[in-house]
Amino acid sequence: GQNIDQPTEMTATEGAIVQINCTYQTSGFNGLFWYQQHAGEAPTFLSYNVLDGLEEKGRFSSFLSRSKGYSYLLLKELQMKDSASYLCASMDSNYQLIWGAGTKLIIKP
Amino acid sequence: NAGVTQTPKFRILKIGQSMTLQCTQDMNHNYMYWYRQDPGMGLKLIYYSVGAGITDKGEVPNGYNVSRSTTEDFPLRLELAAPSQTSVYFCASSYQGEGNEQFFGPGTRLTVL
Repeated sequence: GQNIDQPTEMTATEGAIVQINCTYQTSGFNGLFWYQQHAGEAPTFLSYNVLDGLEEKGRFSSFLSRSKGYSYLLLKELQMKDSASYLCASMDSNYQLIWGAGTKLIIKP
Repeated sequence: NAGVTQTPKFRILKIGQSMTLQCTQDMNHNYMYWYRQDPGMGLKLIYYSVGAGITDKGEVPNGYNVSRSTTEDFPLRLELAAPSQTSVYFCASSYQGEGNEQFFGPGTRLTVL
């Protein structure tokens, strides 16, 4: 079957670093996406990984291990505006996205 | 560019009523999607389209219909609304294929009473 798992909720402190993990089982895997979704808003694209390794984009980095079916999103120098849900989604052989339930990240001052 | 637009933003329906959720994109994307998002759940694909005149079912198509007469528009029709269709509905679009991000509309919050 196809499945995505990520923690339901995480809490971190402003200025700190947080890592949000995602494991997936996807037939015909075509890459892993991370989206950010603020409460009451639409998801917005953060990153895409298809090869193993780390992709860095400013304060946000995303890592993929295809052999382990594992990805993480790393957020550095956390700001209050980073409080949001972070959605992991894997792309299957039909280029459709299989979505996780999202990780709600709470940032405390 | 306006990106992906959806109307209405909010709607309350009575059981058994029908309505159409509108979605338009101005990015000339060939792929378009309809998702629903329930609290604490991931996005579930209702229907998608790979181009004008072509539509296909997603994971949860029952109770919905779609059409794609133009590249820009992808309306979602609810017939005989039921309380189980209370949800937030997102329309999205993308270019075809690997690695192409989906761009989302602002969503329609639908309540069926």
